[in-house]
Amino acid sequence: GQSLEQPSEVTAVEGAIVQINCTYQTSGFYGLSWYQQHDGGAPTFLSYNALDGLEETGRFSSFLSRSDSYGYLLLQELQMKDSASYFCAVMDDKIIFGKGTRLHILP
Amino acid sequence: GAVVSQHPSWVICKSGTSVKIECRSLDFQATTMFWYRQFPKQSLMLMATSNEGSKATYEQGVEKDKFLINHASLTLSTLTVTSAHPEDSSFYICSARGTGTSGRVTPYNEQFFGPGTRLTVL
Repeated sequence: GQSLEQPSEVTAVEGAIVQINCTYQTSGFYGLSWYQQHDGGAPTFLSYNALDGLEETGRFSSFLSRSDSYGYLLLQELQMKDSASYFCAVMDDKIIFGKGTRLHILP
Repeated sequence: GAVVSQHPSWVICKSGTSVKIECRSLDFQATTMFWYRQFPKQSLMLMATSNEGSKATYEQGVEKDKFLINHASLTLSTLTVTSAHPEDSSFYICSARGTGTSGRVTPYNEQFFGPGTRLTVL
């Protein structure tokens, strides 16, 4: 079967750093993506890792270890607008989404 | 980036009626479109994959006779929820992957999502 595991909720303070982990078990794998979704909105693409290592895009970074079937999204200098749900997703012939992590940011 | 639109953005209908949702790629040719359903506070569940000009491939557990998908052109796919019932109330989102106006194929990892359609069946 296919499964992706990520924490259901994470709480952090404005200005801090938070890491959202994702482990996966899928039959196929091209890479791991991360999406952000605000309440009532559609997912927006954040990052994609096909190879092991860290990819940095501004305040967001994403990491992948294919041997460990593990990745994480790192959000730095948290802002209130980062309050959203974050989904890891495995890229195969289609996208398989994790259940999502709801990030709460405290002022 | 590529733009995908959906229409309508929200719809309320009576139980037993059919509802059609359109998904359009505005500035690229969508060779493949995906339809997702998302219940409140849950993940996106892939319903079906459609390639232009061919029949959609439905995920396990999705009734193809209830959720009719048509991908007749490279810029338009439609999802029709037939004989809708309250349990079909959900957020329906499409995404698309394809070829841009320059001929560049969108990266395999990139799917561009529409803004979603919220369906409420009374």
